[in-house]
Amino acid sequence: AQSVTQLDSQVPVFEEAPVELRCNYSSSVSVYLFWYVQYPNQGLQLLLKYLSGSTLVESINGFEAEFNKSQTSFHLRKPSVHISDTAEYFCAVRRYNQGGKLIFGQGTELSVKP
Amino acid sequence: EPEVTQTPSHQVTQMGQEVILRCVPISNHLYFYWYRQILGQKVEFLVSFYNNEISEKSEIFDDQFSVERPDGSNFTLKIRSTKLEDSAMYFCASSENGRTRASTEAFFGQGTRLTVV
Repeated sequence: AQSVTQLDSQVPVFEEAPVELRCNYSSSVSVYLFWYVQYPNQGLQLLLKYLSGSTLVESINGFEAEFNKSQTSFHLRKPSVHISDTAEYFCAVRRYNQGGKLIFGQGTELSVKP
Repeated sequence: EPEVTQTPSHQVTQMGQEVILRCVPISNHLYFYWYRQILGQKVEFLVSFYNNEISEKSEIFDDQFSVERPDGSNFTLKIRSTKLEDSAMYFCASSENGRTRASTEAFFGQGTRLTVV
């Protein structure tokens, strides 16, 4: 079975500050890793994903995440956040080459203040 | 850009009533999913559907729940006799293929907020 832990339920930061949202997972089999974002009153949108290859993956809006197999982590980072990054962020895993079921973490609410 | 659409956005129902939540997945997708998110809790997998049958379901998805693809475009979740604890945001998702690495992305709808009173 797989599980995902997001250690911080809420992360308040000031605009232009760096941020890291932590994600750790547990799995007895290899998994794909994802970060989804949920803006207020909207659905879940894929932010970035790790399938294989380079352990550092980037999104189009400046977020990046690094897969660390030894620490079973997939932390999300951004060097300088904007007000518009205020949202809930979900880390998720999915088993290799099996059905598409995603296992989500509890979510981290990122609140960017001016 | 293609998107998953869900209707209604908000449904209020009385305890014991049947509800049907509707979803239109992306047209060339083959795998369909329902997830739910109880307020303040994590997003939980309910069921996946492929080739007109359930491919996987969670322990949450008991006999009160059913899914159907009544035509070529809609995918529905039915709750036969709603309970207070069914109050949640229900998300529909679809993916091209649930198995191969090339199409591992699931696209989510905006959700239906179900309130059972």
